Amino acid sequence: KNEVEQSPQNLTAQEGEFITINCSYSVGISALHWLQQHPGGGIVSLFMLSSGKKKHGRLIATINIQEKHSSLHITASHPRDSAVYICAVIPSLKKFYFGTGTSLTVIP
Amino acid sequence: NAGVMQNPRHLVRRRGQEARLRCSPMKGHSHVYWYRQLPEEGLKFMVYLQKENIIDESGMPKERFSAEFPKEGPSILRIQQVVRGDSAAYFCASSLTGVSTGELFFGEGSRLTVL
Repeated sequence: KNEVEQSPQNLTAQEGEFITINCSYSVGISALHWLQQHPGGGIVSLFMLSSGKKKHGRLIATINIQEKHSSLHITASHPRDSAVYICAVIPSLKKFYFGTGTSLTVIP
Repeated sequence: NAGVMQNPRHLVRRRGQEARLRCSPMKGHSHVYWYRQLPEEGLKFMVYLQKENIIDESGMPKERFSAEFPKEGPSILRIQQVVRGDSAAYFCASSLTGVSTGELFFGEGSRLTVL
């Protein structure tokens, strides 16, 4: 049983499309992180959320604590957005549970 | 302004040898996390350390793996008597105030290959 489920697992989009990646979790959490892993393997933290919504450039992240669900949106997608997007939840002060990731490919 | 520094970036070991992976957190960060990413799999939490203390090691295999974060110097993840199944990318991340309240910064990872 995986505490964190992401969908879709793979996503191909045309440049310019609006993209949504979903994350559902089954445990109570204190925070949720969205991470981006590029083909070279490096990982970047995009957002940390404990409630509501955050926006950074073309990226928007929302979280609904009651429904145990978070979404990552990319507006006006671009080929450089191609990466694996990972949802990570923090059920306590200590550890993480990671989703299996969503592999996004944006075609020019 | 260096980010999280991990070394070596690539390490090749033969079965039975020891692997030592180092992680220097961002300046001022006292919270360090180690994660493992097996080939074709997702990230898995291994251990959470603060200076001189192991806070949570529930993700660490019980044998052969150990981690430390001394008062001075980098955090070290040590794997003794490596086996082929230890081949993976090992990522370190650091945080100023902990993952529930602070942003997380990742290193580039150390890729261990066991022959």
